[in-house]
Amino acid sequence: AQTVTQSQPEMSVQEAETVTLSCTYDTSESDYYLFWYKQPPSRQMILVIRQEAYKQQNATENRFSVNFQKAAKSFSLKISDSQLGDAAMYFCAYRNTGNQFYFGTGTSLTVIP
Amino acid sequence: EAGVAQSPRYKIIEKRQSVAFWCNPISGHATLYWYQQILGQGPKLLIQFQNNGVVDDSQLPKDRFSAERLKGVDSTLKIQPAKLEDSAVYLCASSLRKAFFGQGTRLTVV
Repeated sequence: AQTVTQSQPEMSVQEAETVTLSCTYDTSESDYYLFWYKQPPSRQMILVIRQEAYKQQNATENRFSVNFQKAAKSFSLKISDSQLGDAAMYFCAYRNTGNQFYFGTGTSLTVIP
Repeated sequence: EAGVAQSPRYKIIEKRQSVAFWCNPISGHATLYWYQQILGQGPKLLIQFQNNGVVDDSQLPKDRFSAERLKGVDSTLKIQPAKLEDSAVYLCASSLRKAFFGQGTRLTVV
């Protein structure tokens, strides 16, 4: 089975600064998708950004961007101009061709005013 | 578009009692998932449906958990009898290419 590893249980960032959350995964497949989900205290998992493995270009969504290194099986999330509303748990997720999702253990992000 | 609906939001039961959760996925989403999320951990897949067929239930404790998907739309997850370690948030998600999650049901077993 695929595994997803998030090695940073907790991170903090000053408001308006930039923070990078790390994620690595293990797979033998060549075709897959990677995601970052945000889970605020309300518990609802919200999709932040998605990356298709066959695309070399890193995905970007406003202040959120990824650094996808396929050979290294690394998929980090960069949050620019951090805002108080960015504080949440962030989960890295892997989706295989069978539409099965595997999640990391999460990184708790604190934004300091 | 309407999101994934789950009910109830909260449930407290005593151990050995039974409980059921309901999920209504986004219209047109063939794939439906139930996840268990224990506090401080990532979601763990319990069962995955494709329409009304089971794709993966390898991590579902089948001696006490059961799930069904009615007519390939709504789904229910049941626990009978509940144990203390079943205390968790139960998340339902549906997907086409990306997964959308409901707000979850927080179950407390006392």
